[in-house]
Amino acid sequence: GAVVSQHPSWVICKSGTSVKIECRSLDFQATTMFWYRQFPKQSLMLMATSNEGSKATYEQGVEKDKFLINHASLTLSTLTVTSAHPEDSSFYICSALRTSGGLTTDTQYFGPGTRLTVL
Amino acid sequence: AQTVTQSQPEMSVQEAETVTLSCTYDTSESDYYLFWYKQPPSRQMILVIRQEAYKQQNATENRFSVNFQKAAKSFSLKISDSQLGDAAMYFCAYRRNAGGTSYGKLTFGQGTILTVHP
Repeated sequence: GAVVSQHPSWVICKSGTSVKIECRSLDFQATTMFWYRQFPKQSLMLMATSNEGSKATYEQGVEKDKFLINHASLTLSTLTVTSAHPEDSSFYICSALRTSGGLTTDTQYFGPGTRLTVL
Repeated sequence: AQTVTQSQPEMSVQEAETVTLSCTYDTSESDYYLFWYKQPPSRQMILVIRQEAYKQQNATENRFSVNFQKAAKSFSLKISDSQLGDAAMYFCAYRRNAGGTSYGKLTFGQGTILTVHP
């Protein structure tokens, strides 16, 4: 199956600092990637859709200036949490959309997630 | 807007038995896809099974099968011969068949935690 990696897998930072999380599709090119946030025992909440070469599309209620997304290549998208605060502590998951020229088989593949703890 | 509802926060099953997880959805679209994802304790999301709305035949993947009732907007997952490794949180997800900047976007249900007893 398709492989998506995330780095780092966990990070602890001080309040007020910025943290960058990388999402890579290792064996396919992904025009579209997604960023989710998940709290314990809860569902995935979509934060934004990242499209290569264009600005990300943020979901309602997600602060664009706080969660900066860059999709500079077909295999890499980054999420930067700027001026992080304890309430930003969460599990962040990315996914990459693998397309095959037909909508039927297009599938999202997920990274293993990044646990962010802001002290 | 589309919504996906999983009304069973938790379910349990004995090893080797069968369990069914429920999912309902609401949409005005006629062309869409439905998925079941599994999230084990490692928290890695794994695709279990997918169903195209235009297909009447229910999808199956080894021990996993779905009961897709389009008119009722119901999409349940049946796990046969349950194994300890099936223990996880299961998410039902919806995706509309349309392009645009949010192409491929998934709408997830709340999730069901499945416990498998030996």
